[in-house]
Amino acid sequence: GESVGLHLPTLSVQEGDNSIINCAYSNSASDYFIWYKQESGKGPQFIIDIRSNMDKRQGQRVTVLLNKTVKHLSLQIAATQPGDSAVYFCAEKQRSGGGADGLTFGKGTHLIIQP
Amino acid sequence: DSGVTQTPKHLITATGQRVTLRCSPRSGDLSVYWYQQSLDQGLQFLIQYYNGEERAKGNILERFSAQQFPDLHSELNLSSLELGDSALYFCASSVEAYSNQPQHFGDGTRLSIL
Repeated sequence: GESVGLHLPTLSVQEGDNSIINCAYSNSASDYFIWYKQESGKGPQFIIDIRSNMDKRQGQRVTVLLNKTVKHLSLQIAATQPGDSAVYFCAEKQRSGGGADGLTFGKGTHLIIQP
Repeated sequence: DSGVTQTPKHLITATGQRVTLRCSPRSGDLSVYWYQQSLDQGLQFLIQYYNGEERAKGNILERFSAQQFPDLHSELNLSSLELGDSALYFCASSVEAYSNQPQHFGDGTRLSIL
């Protein structure tokens, strides 16, 4: 079946540096993508989303880039802080037969911040 | 705090038993989703309800069922439990059923089958 996947399971960055987390998706019909952050013992926390009619979207310290040509999604975190340590998931909106909105998640990237 | 409330936080039971997980969506959200997170399968969509009606099914086993009540809270029922059902179960909610809007997740119920 079609799925969303991540390139790297673990990413280690120095505090203050920028982080880039990548994601590949395979469903060319997906029209909505979301990045979530999950800390230990917590549920996925919404970070930022992007619709397929956009290439880039910026939030506070985060930027999501969408390349539909190669079906690639990335999350950039500026000036990484210790509190950014978590597992990051990309997700795409999957249209089921009923036309509703179950999300398909990638396997996650563990972001580790080095002091 | 996402505004989505799940109870209980932890549940320990034995094989063959039945459990019910509860979810209260964010205020104003009409759509509720259930997901299962396990080490081998990752986060998987199970089922969606909108305003009391089932809207979509994902990888939900026949032993599992859900419902959404008039007050919009939802329950996920898991029966004939097997060791492999041990996982984190998350509920998420969103305002509508067919829209490009983020789903907001609760902190989950950790189910352990002994």
